[in-house]
Order: sequence, then C-alpha cells, then structure tokens
Amino acid sequence: AQKVTQAQTEISVVEKEDVTLDCVYETRDTTYYLFWYKQPPSGELVFLIRRNSFDEQNEISGRYSWNFQKSTSSFNFTITASQVVDSAVYFCALSDQTGANNLFFGTGTRLTVIP
Amino acid sequence: GAVVSQHPSRVICKSGTSVKIECRSLDFQATTMFWYRQFPKKSLMLMATSNEGSKATYEQGVEKDKFLINHASLTLSTLTVTSAHPEDSSFYICSARGRYYGYTFGSGTRLTVV
Repeated sequence: AQKVTQAQTEISVVEKEDVTLDCVYETRDTTYYLFWYKQPPSGELVFLIRRNSFDEQNEISGRYSWNFQKSTSSFNFTITASQVVDSAVYFCALSDQTGANNLFFGTGTRLTVIP
Repeated sequence: GAVVSQHPSRVICKSGTSVKIECRSLDFQATTMFWYRQFPKKSLMLMATSNEGSKATYEQGVEKDKFLINHASLTLSTLTVTSAHPEDSSFYICSARGRYYGYTFGSGTRLTVV
C-alpha cells in the first residue's frame, strides 16, 4: 500500500534562511508520480511539482528545488532564501501511474518563516 | 490551465440540515473526481472517488448515506452532507482529474455546523 511520511510536523526559520522539507514514500508500484503542494492559510492547494518515478533528475524552479532519490524513496523539497510568503503547510503526495487512484498525502509540514 | 471551481467557500448551517457542495471543472472534462476531508492541522483524507455516470466508491469508514456524491456530468460533481451535525464541521476539498491533466484541486469549502 502507498504511504507518504513527512516526519517534520513544524519548522520555523528566519527569513532568508534555506529550508528543506523531507518526504519519504512507500509503494509497491514500479511506476508512480510524486507531488508537492502548498496550502496557505486560505486553504486552497497550490500545485508545485509533479515528478514521474522514471525521472530522477533534480529540478529547480526559482527558489524551489527538489531532490528525488529513488534509492532512498525520498523526494525532498528545498526553499532557498525563504520569504514570509512561503509560510504555509506543505504536503507531499504519491499516486500510481494510471491516475485512477487518488493521491496519498503525507501529514504535511507547517513552515513558518519569521521576518 | 485546468481550473476547478468549488462552491461555496464557506457555509454555516444548523444541525440537522443538509448542505450541498459543488465542484465544477471549468475548462476540461473530469473523468474522475475525488472528495477529501481535512480536519484542522491534519492531512487530507480521501472520502470517496466518483467517475462520471457511475456510483461513487467510498473509503472505509465513510458513511455513504450521510455523504451523498453525485457525478452526473463530466464537469460537475456534488457532495451533499445530509443531516449535518457539529462533528461534520471540517474543510472539504474536491479534486478533478481529466484525461490529459493531473490532479486539479478546488479551493475548498469550510463547513461549520452549529
């Protein structure tokens, strides 16, 4: 069965610090997708990234970067030079390739960036 | 890009009444819709999965008679919380999946039952 673990419940950093959010997953599927979503206080889920299990290249998008390590079943998310607007709950999620199944969410990491 | 509209964003209702939440895909056909529930400071828990034109599949522990899901068209799914009670107060969020798009989430509905 799929499982996503986000061991960090809450993290606080001072503005401009870098922060890494950890995500470890379990699946028996050979092909799957991994996602990161941001949930600001308003509640909506903001899509950040989708990664196919066959694509282990790290990705950078502005201040965001993702490190996918299939060998350790991890898909960590780093925010460089954090800003107050980054304060939110971040969810890592997993689905199988067919997409017929739902997304399995981790428990989320609440990030607070202190000005 | 794919957009999912969810209404209402907030609703307060009296105990014993029913509340309907709509989830509409605006620019794509949603072959599958998912309904999640999120308690304060908790993760999203899947309630049910619905495919257009067929009955919803409910997760274990979710009362199908209490949480009625209708997916009558490829662009609209509704969740009706029947005979709502204070313990049903929660954040409900839908997600739509089309043929070519990934998972697109609605903006969520905060339900408060008083």
